[in-house]
Amino acid sequence: SAVISQKPSRDICQRGTSLTIQCQVDSQVTMMFWYRQQPGQSLTLIATANQGSEATYESGFVIDKFPISRPNLTFSTLTVSNMSPEDSSIYLCSVREGAPTGELFFGEGSRLTVL
Amino acid sequence: GQQVMQIPQYQHVQEGEDFTTYCNSSTTLSNIQWYKQRPGGHPVFLIQLVKSGEVKKQKRLTFQFGEAKKNSSLHITATQTTDVGTYFCNSGGYQKVTFGTGTKLQVIP
Repeated sequence: SAVISQKPSRDICQRGTSLTIQCQVDSQVTMMFWYRQQPGQSLTLIATANQGSEATYESGFVIDKFPISRPNLTFSTLTVSNMSPEDSSIYLCSVREGAPTGELFFGEGSRLTVL
Repeated sequence: GQQVMQIPQYQHVQEGEDFTTYCNSSTTLSNIQWYKQRPGGHPVFLIQLVKSGEVKKQKRLTFQFGEAKKNSSLHITATQTTDVGTYFCNSGGYQKVTFGTGTKLQVIP
C-alpha cells in the first residue's frame, strides 16, 4: 500500500496569505486527489491532480483559489490562496493504486487555521 | 448531482452492543467502499463491495450491498472501544468519488 507524506501537518495562517501543502508518495501513482474536510464534516473532493497537465476541479473550486501542481507521479502540491477564516479546514491528499476504482489511500492531512 | 446519505449521523452505544450504519445513494452505484476515520486521524479503507446483494465479513464487521446497488450497510457486532470513529461510505467509481455524510460512533465503556 502507498505511503503518503503530507506537510505541513498543521499551520496557523493570517487572513490574505497563501499556503502550499505538499504531498509525497513513496511509489508512482496514476491518480492523485485533494480533499477538504471541514470540522465534523465529510470529505469533499477539491480536484484531481493530473501529471503534466492542469488539474481537474470539482464544482465550487477554482484554480485561482486552489492552484495545484503535479510535476511527476509521486508528488503534488495544493496552494490555498488569499485565505479567509472559511478556509480553515483539514486538507487531505489521496492516491489510488492499481485498479482505477480501487481503494483510496490518504495522507495524514494538513490542518489549517486561518485567523 | 449524486448524493450519498448516511444514517444515523451519530450513534452512542454501550460497549458490547451492536451498531449499524446505512448508506443510501440517489443513483445506482458501480461499487461502494467503506472507510473508518479515527478521531484526529485520516480515513482508512475497510472494504469494497461490487456485486448486487454482496455480503462480506471482517471479524465483527459485516458489510452488505443492496440488490439494487443503491444502498449499503455496515454492521458491527459487540462493539468495542476500538471501534470509535466515523464511518464513511463512498460511491466508488473511476474518478468522481462522492463520500457519504458519515456516521460518528461513540462507544461507552
